[in-house]
Parts: sequence; structure tokens; C-alpha cells
Amino acid sequence: GQQVMQIPQYQHVQEGEDFTTYCNSSTTLSNIQWYKQRPGGHPVFLIQLVKSGEVKKQKRLTFQFGEAKKNSSLHITATQTTDVGTYFCAVGAGGGNKLTFGTGTQLKVEL
Amino acid sequence: DTAVSQTPKYLVTQMGNDKSIKCEQNLGHDTMYWYKQDSKKFLKIMFSYNNKELIINETVPNRFSPKSPDKAHLNLHINSLELGDSAVYFCASSSSGTGSYEQYFGPGTRLTVT
Repeated sequence: GQQVMQIPQYQHVQEGEDFTTYCNSSTTLSNIQWYKQRPGGHPVFLIQLVKSGEVKKQKRLTFQFGEAKKNSSLHITATQTTDVGTYFCAVGAGGGNKLTFGTGTQLKVEL
Repeated sequence: DTAVSQTPKYLVTQMGNDKSIKCEQNLGHDTMYWYKQDSKKFLKIMFSYNNKELIINETVPNRFSPKSPDKAHLNLHINSLELGDSAVYFCASSSSGTGSYEQYFGPGTRLTVT
């Protein structure tokens, strides 16, 4: 089955520092989604990227889809304690609804 | 109003027992899913139903049996529970055919098998 690797697995930052998580696939992707899961919570959809080289921003979050559509990144500028959680990428299988989730990056933000 | 709800939120039971988890969504979606999240946070799909029809059935022990009585409900029954079944189980839903594969997750059911 499809495998999606995320790095790093864990990241500790000081509040105000930037953070980036990367998602890599061995195959070309039709689309990629990003989810955030707060500690003790459930995954919450953040965004979907479809086009090669696409860049989308949500306030301090910047999402990129690689030119070859095999990788993606999520960058958070000036992290805050509210950014704490696990960030997952998820890739779709063709035109279907099946998602394969990445291994996740757990972010901790310290004051 | 809760979009995707699950009951129970916590479930503690002994090995060998049979238990069920229920899920309901009020989003009007036609596709529902069960995911298992282990202690390392790995999130893996187990089953998916579209309009009450099973469309995804990953490599899951046949002790797990999903049932979808209608588009808004998806239940998960687990027979002969084992220690390795301890995990958080998430229900999710989405709408097919829109081009957006965004999934909405329920709050999760934390299953502990002792």
C-alpha cells in the first residue's frame, strides 16, 4: 500500500520560533490534505492542495505542494502555544475518498 | 450541534468480551469511515461505507464487523477483544463527488482492553 513519511516525528520549539513539517511520498499524488490533532482531540481538516507547486496560506500557516506532486510542507511562522498538537498530511487515492495518513509530526511549544 | 458524534467516549473491558461503538453524523454526508489510532499516534483506516455499501475494507481481523443501517450511521462491533485492540477509534465522514476529500472526524472512542 501507499506509504507517506513525515519528518520530523517530534519537534520542540520555543514560542515565537518557526516550525516546518515535511511530507514525502514515493508516488505522484493527486492531492494532499493537512490535518491538526490537538492533544486528546480528534483530527481537524486544515487544507487541501491539488495543483503542482501550489502554495496556500492561512494566517501564520503556509502550505506547499511540490512541483512533482510527491511532497508537501506545512510551515508555521512565529509559533504560539495554541499550535501545539500533531500535524498529519493525508493523501488521496485517485478519485476515491480513501485517505492514507502520514506518520504525523508532534509539535510542542514552550514558553 | 455536533457534526460527527460517537458513543461511548471511553470503553474499558476485559479480554474476550464483545463490544460495540456507535457513530452518527448530521452533515448529510454519504461516506463514513472507521479509523484506528494507536499509542504512537499512527492513524490507519479500517473501513469505509458509501451509501450503506462497504467500499473500503483494509486488512482488519474479522473480529471487527462494521454495520451501516443508513447513510448517517456507522457502527463497529468487535468480538473477542484482545489486548492489541486497545486504541482510540475515530469515526469520520465525507461527501463524495465534490472534488474535496475533506473528512470530518468524531471525538473518538478510547478503548482499553485489560
